[in-house]
Amino acid sequence: SQTIHQWPATLVQPVGSPLSLECTVEGTSNPNLYWYRQAAGRGLQLLFYSVGIGQISSEVPQNLSASRPQDRQFILSSKKLLLSDSGFYLCAWTGKGRQGSGAFFGQGTRLTVV
Amino acid sequence: AQRVTQPEKLLSVFKGAPVELKCNYSYSGSPELFWYVQYSRQRLQLLLRHISRESIKGFTADLNKGETSFHLKKPFAQEEDSAMYYCALFSGGYNKLIFGAGTRLAVHP
Repeated sequence: SQTIHQWPATLVQPVGSPLSLECTVEGTSNPNLYWYRQAAGRGLQLLFYSVGIGQISSEVPQNLSASRPQDRQFILSSKKLLLSDSGFYLCAWTGKGRQGSGAFFGQGTRLTVV
Repeated sequence: AQRVTQPEKLLSVFKGAPVELKCNYSYSGSPELFWYVQYSRQRLQLLLRHISRESIKGFTADLNKGETSFHLKKPFAQEEDSAMYYCALFSGGYNKLIFGAGTRLAVHP
């Protein structure tokens, strides 16, 4: 069966420090991968998505970047965190084509920048 | 541009009352639309999709292309329906999945 792992679950980082959040998918190949930020009142904001290795589409210009070094690995990074980067980050995957099964989500990472 | 709009942040009803969570979308192509639900302390999960025209947990949603809407309905709300509901649009041409702002449904006894 397919599973998605996202870690860490919580993270407290000082302003100016780097960030690396990792997401891996098991049990499927060539998935679409997504990073979202979930905020109260703003719903799920799409940050980045990827349709294949090395292919990244950025939706919101900001202090973050994403990479997909392997088929089932998606990484969210920052070189220097800002206070405004605090939030709840979700990774998700879908199959290609018609979305019979919809998207599957990780458990999320609560990031607090102090 | 692709957009999903959920105009209500909070919908509060009593048990047994009908529920309608509104969703409107903007998309130039042929969209795939979904409703996702997040119960307290659980992962976001798929509730239903327009292509299957199914009823899940008593909820239904009909795609109205003329009104570009995909409202979620249930004739009799239950307390266990209390959750956060998100409407989502998948654009197959771009493999892009976008969500609305979400509506919190609170069902009171």
